[in-house]
Amino acid sequence: GESVGLHLPTLSVQEGDNSIINCAYSNSASDYFIWYKQESGKGPQFIIDIRSNMDKRQGQRVTVLLNKTVKHLSLQIAATQPGDSAVYFCAENGGGGTSYGKLTFGQGTILTVHP
Amino acid sequence: GAGVSQSPSNKVTEKGKDVELRCDPISGHTALYWYRQRLGQGLEFLIYFQGNSAPDKSGLPSDRFSAERTGESVSTLTIQRTQQEDSAVYLCASSLLFGSGNQPQHFGDGTRLSIL
Repeated sequence: GESVGLHLPTLSVQEGDNSIINCAYSNSASDYFIWYKQESGKGPQFIIDIRSNMDKRQGQRVTVLLNKTVKHLSLQIAATQPGDSAVYFCAENGGGGTSYGKLTFGQGTILTVHP
Repeated sequence: GAGVSQSPSNKVTEKGKDVELRCDPISGHTALYWYRQRLGQGLEFLIYFQGNSAPDKSGLPSDRFSAERTGESVSTLTIQRTQQEDSAVYLCASSLLFGSGNQPQHFGDGTRLSIL
């Protein structure tokens, strides 16, 4: 079946640097994408989402870019802080129908921010 | 509370026993979802509810797994005759009604299930 995947399983950055986490998706029918941050022992925390009619969306210190041509999603974190250290997951909705509520998650990228 | 609440936070049980996991969604959220997360892995969809009905049960691993929701609020996930491979964190999420499109799913902290 189709799945969402991540290019890099780990990313280490220095405090203050910008971070970019990448995600490739294969289901061309997906029209909703979302990024989550998960800290140890906690549930995933919503960061930002984007619909397929957009190619960029900005939040506080975060930007999500969507390239539908190459089926690529990225999360940019500006001025990364030690508190940003966590596992980051991208997810897609698979395009709808009776599975509209179902999100398919990637395996995650571990972000480590060094002070 | 303001967020999704799950109980118990941890559950240890013997192989073959039944377990029941509970989820209290965010007030006003009509959609509710269950996922499973094995150690070091991404989330695996199990089932979702729109109100009290479940349009998609495709992720339930076997007929030992079942879920129900009543009053468009609390949901329970039941695993019968537990097996060791059922050990995982079970996460619940809720969201507003889809409307014109997906809405962000907000997660609880999960129930960590360990089968001895």
